[in-house]
Amino acid sequence: EDQVTQSPEALRLQEGESSSLNCSYTVSGLRGLFWYRQDPGKGPEFLFTLYSAGEEKEKERLKATLTKKESFLHITAPKPEDSATYLCAVQAGRGGADGLTFGKGTHLIIQP
Amino acid sequence: KAGVTQTPRYLIKTRGQQVTLSCSPISGHRSVSWYQQTPGQGLQFLFEYFSETQRNKGNFPGRFSGRQFSNSRSEMNVSTLELGDSALYLCASSGYGSSYEQYFGPGTRLTVT
Repeated sequence: EDQVTQSPEALRLQEGESSSLNCSYTVSGLRGLFWYRQDPGKGPEFLFTLYSAGEEKEKERLKATLTKKESFLHITAPKPEDSATYLCAVQAGRGGADGLTFGKGTHLIIQP
Repeated sequence: KAGVTQTPRYLIKTRGQQVTLSCSPISGHRSVSWYQQTPGQGLQFLFEYFSETQRNKGNFPGRFSGRQFSNSRSEMNVSTLELGDSALYLCASSGYGSSYEQYFGPGTRLTVT
């Protein structure tokens, strides 16, 4: 069974204080690992897809990395508008399409 | 390009009733997936449709069903509603090919009383 565990569950940072969110996964044949951002009352917003160990992607203050067992979302010099819940999900490559398996998310608060 | 749209945005139903939710995917996307989001369980996969065929299904009872039309629009139905069905129901669409990113709609908030 595919499993995704995110840590920490919640994180409070000061504006400008960099940190990393962790996503550990167990999946039989990884097709892709996805990061989403979700604001209260809204659907998840797509951020990144990572396909293979060693891959990195960046977008503004965010950088996602992938190893064979986990992924990190690094947030550099965050601003209050980066406050949101960050979700990690995996998609297995068992032939045919599979739905995404999500972690419970990390609730990030950036204080001014 | 317009995003994924879902209707209605909010619903209040009574236990035992049934409900139908609608999703219009991003233009050109042929795959539509449905998810249930609750505070306790997080986001859980319900099912996926591609070209009007259910391609995969999550671990939910048969009360949850769906369909997809020739224009890729999709509906999901929940029959005999239970209190535990109260949740945010999210629809996501994706293209077919090298990209597997799923783009989510705003969701339908269902409350069962």
